[in-house]
Amino acid sequence: AQSVTQLGSHVSVSEGALVLLRCNYSSSVPPYLFWYVQYPNQGLQLLLKYTSAATLVKGINGFEAEFKKSETSFHLTKPSAHMSDAAEYFCAVTISGNTPLVFGKGTRLSVIA
Amino acid sequence: KAGVTQTPRYLIKTRGQQVTLSCSPISGHRSVSWYQQTPGQGLQFLFEYFSETQRNKGNFPGRFSGRQFSNSRSEMNVSTLELGDSALYLCASSSGVGGGTDTQYFGPGTRLTVL
Repeated sequence: AQSVTQLGSHVSVSEGALVLLRCNYSSSVPPYLFWYVQYPNQGLQLLLKYTSAATLVKGINGFEAEFKKSETSFHLTKPSAHMSDAAEYFCAVTISGNTPLVFGKGTRLSVIA
Repeated sequence: KAGVTQTPRYLIKTRGQQVTLSCSPISGHRSVSWYQQTPGQGLQFLFEYFSETQRNKGNFPGRFSGRQFSNSRSEMNVSTLELGDSALYLCASSSGVGGGTDTQYFGPGTRLTVL
């Protein structure tokens, strides 16, 4: 079975600072990995996904994530935080495109002016 | 292309009642998945329908059921509501064919409050 651990339920950064949200996964087979963002009272929006084509994945809104098999990690980064990045971020794993997503508990990102 | 739509957006019910939630997937998508989101348990998978058949099922009691129609629209039903069923119910659609190109796109959710 797959699982996802997101370190830090709440991360706070200053506007313009680096954003780093951590995600570690467990999977017995090569995984597909995703980052979703959720704004208040909204659904989940796909930020980016890893499907084994390239280890460094670029997503929307300046976010990117790097797949590191040796560390079983898929951390999300953004060089410079913007106030509009304040939201909850979820890392998810699946072993096939047609099997359920297993989500981490989420990390709430606050951006301080 | 229109996104995933869910109706209604908000519902208030009382214990013991039943409720039906609706989801319309992205045009051309044949798979619809349902997830429950609560502060305590996070996002949990309920079930997935593909071409009108339940293909995957999560660990929820039989009070939670669903179905999919020939146009891929899906409904989920919760009978004999309990206070703990209060949650945001999210629907996601995908092509359902599997592989790396398949991605789940989420609707805005239905906020269910059970009193």
